[in-house]
Amino acid sequence: GDSVTQMEGPVTLSEEAFLTINCTYTATGYPSLFWYVQYPGEGLQLLLKATKADDKGSNKGFEATYRKETTSFHLEKGSVQVSDSAVYFCALSSNTGGFKTIFGAGTRLFVKA
Amino acid sequence: NAGVTQTPKFRVLKTGQSMTLLCAQDMNHEYMYWYRQDPGMGLRLIHYSVGEGTTAKGEVPDGYNVSRLKKQNFLLGLESAAPSQTSVYFCASSYRDRSYEQYFGPGTRLTVT
Repeated sequence: GDSVTQMEGPVTLSEEAFLTINCTYTATGYPSLFWYVQYPGEGLQLLLKATKADDKGSNKGFEATYRKETTSFHLEKGSVQVSDSAVYFCALSSNTGGFKTIFGAGTRLFVKA
Repeated sequence: NAGVTQTPKFRVLKTGQSMTLLCAQDMNHEYMYWYRQDPGMGLRLIHYSVGEGTTAKGEVPDGYNVSRLKKQNFLLGLESAAPSQTSVYFCASSYRDRSYEQYFGPGTRLTVT
């Protein structure tokens, strides 16, 4: 079945450092890919999305490119801030699986001042 | 708009007790979902609903029941709580034609002793 694998955390960075959180997926068909973010004490929020190969999703300085050849959707940010500390979830939604969304295990990010 | 709200925020149950978690959304979304979040396992879908009066099983439905008598409400019931049901429960909702963009509530932290 469809699945999402993302790097284990926690990831600890200093402010203004470069961030990469790896995500790879397994899916039949042509899934849409997403990154959700969960701030402490809150529910998940959609951060960005890409619906077809080579699309780049971007929001709040975060970017991720849908790479079909490597089945990856890595999250990047050039300069993180303390306020970016959160848990990040990679997810996919595949037409062949109906409309359900499959989430990765989540990667916790700590950013130190 | 309040978005997606969940009650209660916290609850402690003894093994064998029952309870109902309430989810309400004011965005007129057709679809609603219940997930559980456990450390290292991301979010797992318990049950979902594609409309008033209809529900379906997700990935981990055993031990839970749901009802959607009104479009804006989605109830999750535990008839006989077990320690394995200790988790954080999230409700989410979405439009039918944008089911990948889910809006999450703040969560309910349930402990079963």
